[in-house]
Order: sequence, then structure tokens, then C-alpha cells
Amino acid sequence: AQSVSQHNHHVILSEAASLELGCNYSYGGTVNLFWYVQYPGQHLQLLLKYFSGDPLVKGIKGFEAEFIKSKFSFNLRKPSVQWSDTAEYFCAVIGYNNNDMRFGAGTRLTVKP
Amino acid sequence: DTAVSQTPKYLVTQMGNDKSIKCEQNLGHDTMYWYKQDSKKFLKIMFSYNNKELIINETVPNRFSPKSPDKAHLNLHINSLELGDSAVYFCASSQEGTHYGYTFGSGTRLTVV
Repeated sequence: AQSVSQHNHHVILSEAASLELGCNYSYGGTVNLFWYVQYPGQHLQLLLKYFSGDPLVKGIKGFEAEFIKSKFSFNLRKPSVQWSDTAEYFCAVIGYNNNDMRFGAGTRLTVKP
Repeated sequence: DTAVSQTPKYLVTQMGNDKSIKCEQNLGHDTMYWYKQDSKKFLKIMFSYNNKELIINETVPNRFSPKSPDKAHLNLHINSLELGDSAVYFCASSQEGTHYGYTFGSGTRLTVV
């Protein structure tokens, strides 16, 4: 079964700082990769997803992620964070031949104004 | 229109009680899920239903039982509630084969006292 590791438990940044959140997955086949965001007290919302093609995918709110197959990684980036980006971020993976989405443990991002 | 709706949003109940959480999706998806998010924000899949067939059960206690009257609904019944059941429960849905990720409901915060 696939698994997902997010290395950063809690990241604290000042506004305008650049962000990179790490995500590594373990799966012996083709995968689809996702990043979800959960704002305080709210449900999960899809930020971006990767299926195939260009390994650099752009999502909403200025986020992007790069799929590096050789490293089994799908790191999330944003060049300049805002206070409103304070939230929990989850990396997730679905194996190509199944419908079972597995989530990482999440990374809490706190952006100081 | 809400794509995946859960009721109730909050549920406070005593130990030993039996409770249900309802979930409905109007997306025409053929698979629905229940996830449990604990106090550390860790998301764990509990069940999924595809065409009224249970296809995942992640070692969840048998006090928890999913019930799907039709493709658009997946309700969660919990018997003999315990303190450790306190969590946020998320319903989600997806369309098999499209790999567009899951659409999540807004969550039900269950507190067992």
C-alpha cells in the first residue's frame, strides 16, 4: 500500500517569505499526487494535483508543486506567503490502479504578519 | 449548491450512546468515503463504498458501521461511543477512474463526554 511522509510538522514564516513543504511517497507504481489545504475549522480543499505531463504543476492561490519521480517527491512551494496562508497542508497520493487516497500527517503553516 | 454535505456539523454526546452522521453528495460520484481526523490532524481512512459495496475497512472497530441507502448517501453509525471516538469525521466522494481527487464535506466534530 502507498504511504506519504511530510517531514515538516510545523513551519513558521514571516509574510513575504518563500515556502517549501516537503512530501515523499512510497508506492511501487504510477501515482497521482495531490496537495490539500485545511484552513482553521474548515474542510479540506484541493490546492493542486499531478497526473502526468509537466512535472511542475500550478495550483490556486499562487502555489505550485514539482514532481520528481527519481526522488519520489512532490514538494509544495510558494514564492511569497501571506498571513492568510496560515493553515494545515496535506500531501496525498492515489495509486494509479486503485481509488484509495492516503494522506501525509500534515504540515501546519503559521505565517506571522 | 453544496457538493458534499454532512450533518450534523457538531455532535456532543455521552459515552455509551449510539449516534449517526449523515453524508450526501450531489456530484454523481460513484464512490464515497469516511475519514477520521484526530486531534493531531492526522487523517485516516475508515471506509469507502462503491456501488453499495464496501471496498476498504481499515481495521476500524465494528462499533462503526457505514450504511449506504443509495449511491448518493453514505451514513456513519457509531454504537457504544467511547471517549477515544472524539474527532472530526469527514465524508468525501470521488469518481472511480478519473483520479481527480476527492471532494470533501465540511466535517462533523464529534465530542464524547
